[in-house]
Amino acid sequence: EPEVTQTPSHQVTQMGQEVILRCVPISNHLYFYWYRQILGQKVEFLVSFYNNEISEKSEIFDDQFSVERPDGSNFTLKIRSTKLEDSAMYFCASSETYRGNNYGYTFGSGTRLTVV
Amino acid sequence: TQLLEQSPQFLSIQEGENLTVYCNSSSVFSSLQWYRQEPGEGPVLLVTVVTGGEVKKLKRLTFQFGDARKDSSLHITAAQPGDTGLYLCAGAPNDYKLSFGAGTTVTVRA
Repeated sequence: EPEVTQTPSHQVTQMGQEVILRCVPISNHLYFYWYRQILGQKVEFLVSFYNNEISEKSEIFDDQFSVERPDGSNFTLKIRSTKLEDSAMYFCASSETYRGNNYGYTFGSGTRLTVV
Repeated sequence: TQLLEQSPQFLSIQEGENLTVYCNSSSVFSSLQWYRQEPGEGPVLLVTVVTGGEVKKLKRLTFQFGDARKDSSLHITAAQPGDTGLYLCAGAPNDYKLSFGAGTTVTVRA
């Protein structure tokens, strides 16, 4: 069963520091996403990415966030200057089709980011 | 207001009982998806429903998409402790992003 792989599984960082969360989507998928889930809250959309550019982003995805597909396999989320409220589980997902219609999204196991 | 309203928020039942989880919206969806999430893990896709009125079965789980494609339900027959988890519905009505409901936490007691 193909998987979406995320690293690291846990990341602790000082407030104001930059972090990069890494993801390896499923190889034949074309659409990539980042979601986050603050402890006890719902899964929230951050950004979608297709054809090497952002397709859509939410109001959460402000200037401190950026995404990149630096090579043919990795998909990264960078948070430039972390804040306490950035502490959350960050999930990467990929899908074969637009919006995951018919096949859904495949999510990674997440990176737990703790900002101290 | 939430795009997708799930009810109930919490459900605790005895092993062997049946349960139903609901997902409602005022928006029309081309498809709705159901996911299950374990603590500390990412959501795992259970099913996608596409056609209004569609019913899909996955072993003891039955998923239904409303005729108007605004709502869906998940019914579990003879629940087992292994069914314990957070059940999420998700859909993308008229834009790119897949949005999730807040989820229903199901606890099945042995």
